[in-house]
Amino acid sequence: DADVTQTPRNRITKTGKRIMLECSQTKGHDRMYWYRQDPGLGLRLIYYSFDVKDINKGEISDGYSVSRQAQAKFSLSLESAIPNQTALYFCATSDLQVSSYNEQFFGPGTRLTVL
Amino acid sequence: QKEVEQDPGPLSVPEGAIVSLNCTYSNSAFQYFMWYRQYSRKGPELLMYTYSSGNKEDGRFTAQVDKSSKYISLFIRDSQPSDSATYLCAMRFQGAQKLVFGQGTRLTINP
Repeated sequence: DADVTQTPRNRITKTGKRIMLECSQTKGHDRMYWYRQDPGLGLRLIYYSFDVKDINKGEISDGYSVSRQAQAKFSLSLESAIPNQTALYFCATSDLQVSSYNEQFFGPGTRLTVL
Repeated sequence: QKEVEQDPGPLSVPEGAIVSLNCTYSNSAFQYFMWYRQYSRKGPELLMYTYSSGNKEDGRFTAQVDKSSKYISLFIRDSQPSDSATYLCAMRFQGAQKLVFGQGTRLTINP
């Protein structure tokens, strides 16, 4: 079984719709992250969380919100989707107790298309 | 100017060639340097990491950090078609939790 899972894997939606992307992990890690990947731009951090009560904005948080429902679950919401949010979204986890260089473990990604 | 710059390619080489992938960075405070490999339709996976400067070798892969030039490299010897992927460099500051990624280089090894 995959350690970091993301649902859905693919989603097509329309402008203005509310979308939630979900991430679950069985690695027992405390840190969780949401990234988006666009061609030519690499991975950009949207939000990150160091525990259930700790949520932090990344470099491109506008238009997004997150919820850390439990240590193992971290969801990303687009309240009103717009076409330039079309991208590949990745969830990742890490644990500084395990890896001093903060290795991040990525899920398989969600391909989101906003029409 | 981005903190980390990486040529997105694409880079196409014949099987068996030596591949050199590179990133430059602007902030001398970066201390941890990593290379992630991402196969098509998959999430990135850590391939190699180094702390501060120097070289690290793992099989056919060598990671090199030149802090004086703010330049890191990944060398792949005897490249195989299975090495075809996007390679992303990543780095972070001492004490920081966030990683800063390069744009990724798309590599194809032709049989």
